[in-house]
Amino acid sequence: EPEVTQTPSHQVTQMGQEVILRCVPISNHLYFYWYRQILGQKVEFLVSFYNNEISEKSEIFDDQFSVERPDGSNFTLKIRSTKLEDSAMYFCASQGYNEQFFGPGTRLTVL
Amino acid sequence: DQQVKQNSPSLSVQEGRISILNCDYTNSMFDYFLWYKKYPAEGPTFLISISSIKDKNEDGRFTVFLNKSAKHLSLHIVPSQPGDSAVYFCAASEAAGNNRKLIWGLGTSLAVNP
Repeated sequence: EPEVTQTPSHQVTQMGQEVILRCVPISNHLYFYWYRQILGQKVEFLVSFYNNEISEKSEIFDDQFSVERPDGSNFTLKIRSTKLEDSAMYFCASQGYNEQFFGPGTRLTVL
Repeated sequence: DQQVKQNSPSLSVQEGRISILNCDYTNSMFDYFLWYKKYPAEGPTFLISISSIKDKNEDGRFTVFLNKSAKHLSLHIVPSQPGDSAVYFCAASEAAGNNRKLIWGLGTSLAVNP
């Protein structure tokens, strides 16, 4: 059964450093999403992506964040200058018809 | 922002009995509702969904009921099994073409006891 994969599973970085979180969505899906979950809080929408451009982004998704699909398979989330409050689980999702299927997540720890 | 609420942080049921997980929402523009299950250190796994034009959707042991007038949905698991022990999230989206940003509840931790 096709699945969404994410790498790395855990990323530790220093505040101010750039990180890139990678996702490989399900191959015939067209809509892609990033969400995050800070420990003890709700899962929060960050950004949706379709046809090589952002469809919608949340208030969290400021200028420090960017997404791209560089090669038609990988879908990446870049945080240019990480802050302590960026520490969270980051989930990638890809959408078939209506349902979104999630990867296992990347735990980002900013020190 | 509490557009989707799961008021019970935890639920404990006996194996073989029914588990009922509840979810309330405030945004009348939501037209699609989903339930996800999540184990520790894993991503959410899609369980079942329902469109706002229906009031019930069933898939094996899982049934979701939607009461639009009450802005309430529930997930029934019958019979409950120990492997169902996980955190269950209710999520909702409103139609925006096919772009379906999900708004999530806080989750309910279900424990099914043998």
